[in-house]
Amino acid sequence: SAVISQKPSRDICQRGTSLTIQCQVDSQVTMMFWYRQQPGQSLTLIATANQGSEATYESGFVIDKFPISRPNLTFSTLTVSNMSPEDSSIYLCSSRKGAAMNTEAFFGQGTRLTVV
Amino acid sequence: EDQVTQSPEALRLQEGESSSLNCSYTVSGLRGLFWYRQDPGKGPEFLFTLYSAGEEKEKERLKATLTKKESFLHITAPKPEDSATYLCAVRRGGSQGNLIFGKGTKLSVKP
Repeated sequence: SAVISQKPSRDICQRGTSLTIQCQVDSQVTMMFWYRQQPGQSLTLIATANQGSEATYESGFVIDKFPISRPNLTFSTLTVSNMSPEDSSIYLCSSRKGAAMNTEAFFGQGTRLTVV
Repeated sequence: EDQVTQSPEALRLQEGESSSLNCSYTVSGLRGLFWYRQDPGKGPEFLFTLYSAGEEKEKERLKATLTKKESFLHITAPKPEDSATYLCAVRRGGSQGNLIFGKGTKLSVKP
């Protein structure tokens, strides 16, 4: 199955700063998804990134706070901007092989972010 | 509104003690129900996809089943290495393929 390499695996950041998370897929994929996993909560979709177009954000998430880049079919970044302690969470990138809707999603190992 | 609810939140079993995890869902136009396993500090690892009521899939000690309203993950004679959080997710028609997740069931299997 395809592999996503995500980095950094963890970071501790000062409030007011920004962190960029990178995801590299070992094969070309159409869609990439960014999720947030807060303690005790379900994985929540932040946005969907399609190569060559603007990312589509879910309700409650905005581009100024979570800018996303998708420069090619194997790479994407998510930036968490102007961080506050409420942004402390695990951030995960995901994709699926092929364009068919019935293929399973695969995930990176996650980035554990702590904002102090 | 699309929703996925998993129960119980946590489950402690003795090694060899079989049990089931539940995932109930409401979704517009189900395009697949997915089970994942997540170990601490790692991303979710794919286990099963189910598409239609009555479908069943098995892998080692795990068996997933699906009805029109819920799915069960049956664990037969679990071992300590089965300890993990098990996540259920659905994909709905008309979406871009993203998944809607439940909060998960944290399974602990004691030797």
